Amino acid sequence: KNQVEQSPQSLIILEGKNCTLQCNYTVSPFSNLRWYKQDTGRGPVSLTIMTFSENTKSNGRYTATLDADTKQSSLHITASQLSDSASYICVVTSGARNQFYFGTGTSLTVIP
Amino acid sequence: DAGVIQSPRHEVTEMGQEVTLRCKPISGHDYLFWYRQTMMRGLELLIYFNNNVPIDDSGMPEDRFSAKMPNASFSTLKIQPSEPRDSAVYFCASSYTRTVYHLYRGQSPLHFGNGTRLTVT
Repeated sequence: KNQVEQSPQSLIILEGKNCTLQCNYTVSPFSNLRWYKQDTGRGPVSLTIMTFSENTKSNGRYTATLDADTKQSSLHITASQLSDSASYICVVTSGARNQFYFGTGTSLTVIP
Repeated sequence: DAGVIQSPRHEVTEMGQEVTLRCKPISGHDYLFWYRQTMMRGLELLIYFNNNVPIDDSGMPEDRFSAKMPNASFSTLKIQPSEPRDSAVYFCASSYTRTVYHLYRGQSPLHFGNGTRLTVT
């Protein structure tokens, strides 16, 4: 069964600290994996995309990793800011028809 | 570009009433998706269109839900009659098909609207 699981479900960290969010998937065939950020009251926005051949990709303070062998991805946030408070959703795209499989998200709260 | 535009932002209605949600996708995008988001189940795909044609509506919960896309710039999701369990945030998203010459060929990221929060009492 094609599934995407994220952990932790929620996370609270102090401003300035780093954190890592996890995404495990069983989706096959695999096309790519995206991380989305969803601010409260808004729609999700794409942060980064990872394909099969990519291991690491950075977007400012966000660094995503992908291990296609173990089917795991992580999103590392460096020097967190209050504006990083949001839900982070892992989405795996599969197959020629580009079906999307969504994780249930990690809710991150950054406190002063 | 104004992005994906959804209306209304909030809708409160009584059980049994008809509800119509509206979406204007980004110009030039050939895919349009309707999602429902709840705390318990996260984002669930309801239906998606390609070039205005419904491709997969297997996520539509039941016959009370219907969606149309009469042209490339407009889509509606209708619930008739509405029930309290339909309360959720409904998102519309659009994307486009990249050419085979693009590094990330396939579909572009999903571009989401800001959703319609539906409350059925």
